[in-house]
Amino acid sequence: DAGVIQSPRHEVTEMGQEVTLRCKPISGHNSLFWYRQTMMRGLELLIYFNNNVPIDDSGMPEDRFSAKMPNASFSTLKIQPSEPRDSAVYFCASSSSSGRDTDTQYFGPGTRLTVL
Amino acid sequence: EDQVTQSPEALRLQEGESSSLNCSYTVSGLRGLFWYRQDPGKGPEFLFTLYSAGEEKEKERLKATLTKKESFLHITAPKPEDSATYLCAVWYYGQNFVFGPGTRLSVLP
Repeated sequence: DAGVIQSPRHEVTEMGQEVTLRCKPISGHNSLFWYRQTMMRGLELLIYFNNNVPIDDSGMPEDRFSAKMPNASFSTLKIQPSEPRDSAVYFCASSSSSGRDTDTQYFGPGTRLTVL
Repeated sequence: EDQVTQSPEALRLQEGESSSLNCSYTVSGLRGLFWYRQDPGKGPEFLFTLYSAGEEKEKERLKATLTKKESFLHITAPKPEDSATYLCAVWYYGQNFVFGPGTRLSVLP
């Protein structure tokens, strides 16, 4: 299995620009999570989906952030407009609600976002 | 407020010097506690899941234990390749994962 795939791995953009981060979960997993990691705040859950439906988006910082999951194998996290304080590493994770590793979240390699 | 704390914040060990990392939580309705390892520039890597007090899990030089209010990650005879940040995450009913701040472990040869 290829694991969770994220793209791009690095993104540098200017303040005010739109940024789209992409995630492909592990095949067969039915839950997907977006996290943000910074030195100051550690790992923070932004939003999670179950069976492609957003369940909890209480961690989304503000309206500039939006996430979609149009199908079981793809999700996007969009920031529009981006601001320097959005600079962080964004992780996507997926899990399954059945089987041996039920509810264990497997993380992707992350996208390092820098907003200038 | 539900919280997850980890101690120490950083730990330096000599190779072969065993020690323990602590994860304390104040959540109610624990559904599971997870340990992850994170190397610089990488995503967290799953290590263990513990579901009930008294449970223990082992993998190579690592052993995780769980009580009603805390979990320990015991590292026996660590090697330099065990150097990483170790994160615990608490999953509780009605909410989702809450990660602790992590313990940065350095094992010196």
